[in-house]
Amino acid sequence: NAGVTQTPKFRVLKTGQSMTLLCAQDMNHEYMYWYRQDPGMGLRLIHYSVGEGTTAKGEVPDGYNVSRLKKQNFLLGLESAAPSQTSVYFCASSFGLAGGLTGELFFGEGSRLTVL
Amino acid sequence: DQQVKQNSPSLSVQEGRISILNCDYTNSMFDYFLWYKKYPAEGPTFLISISSIKDKNEDGRFTVFLNKSAKHLSLHIVPSQPGDSAVYFCAASALQRGSTLGRLYFGRGTQLTVWP
Repeated sequence: NAGVTQTPKFRVLKTGQSMTLLCAQDMNHEYMYWYRQDPGMGLRLIHYSVGEGTTAKGEVPDGYNVSRLKKQNFLLGLESAAPSQTSVYFCASSFGLAGGLTGELFFGEGSRLTVL
Repeated sequence: DQQVKQNSPSLSVQEGRISILNCDYTNSMFDYFLWYKKYPAEGPTFLISISSIKDKNEDGRFTVFLNKSAKHLSLHIVPSQPGDSAVYFCAASALQRGSTLGRLYFGRGTQLTVWP
């Protein structure tokens, strides 16, 4: 039972480099999300998707781009990494709308990104 | 501005005793509240939720209480066990109030340590 899988788990980048985080879910969920967690902070929503081919901005979208070409995958891209993007990134998916009765979020294990 | 606040970053409780984790919110539009638990190097997992039409929800050792007039909720764990040691996040949403996402707003988390 894979659930939500994130790759890579760890990555170190230099300022200005680009990279993509991949999220895959096998639960046939419509909704997918990317969060970041910083020390002493709660989870903050970066981008989300309400279905294949759709994406939308969350609370902290600047410096990130996303794509949802397939229902099961949600990619998070950093075009030009900055030290402020050092964080732990969590992907999540849900059957229904987040926060609702069927909107339980299922999270991946996280991807720790360090930007030097 | 933090709309969901967990003012205690840590809590230490002896095994067998009650753990009480607190959460306050500022947005009166919130109508659904959730608790997530997170172990190190893992993603958060859903624990328990409560709708604003209730003031209590119970699931085994876990009970969530909601005081709408005080904009306060609490999670009670009885009896506490060492395996409960984790970070607990409070989250809230305004799903029924026209939000297009029912976006979850997370608190900063409380580290619970249950000692033998």
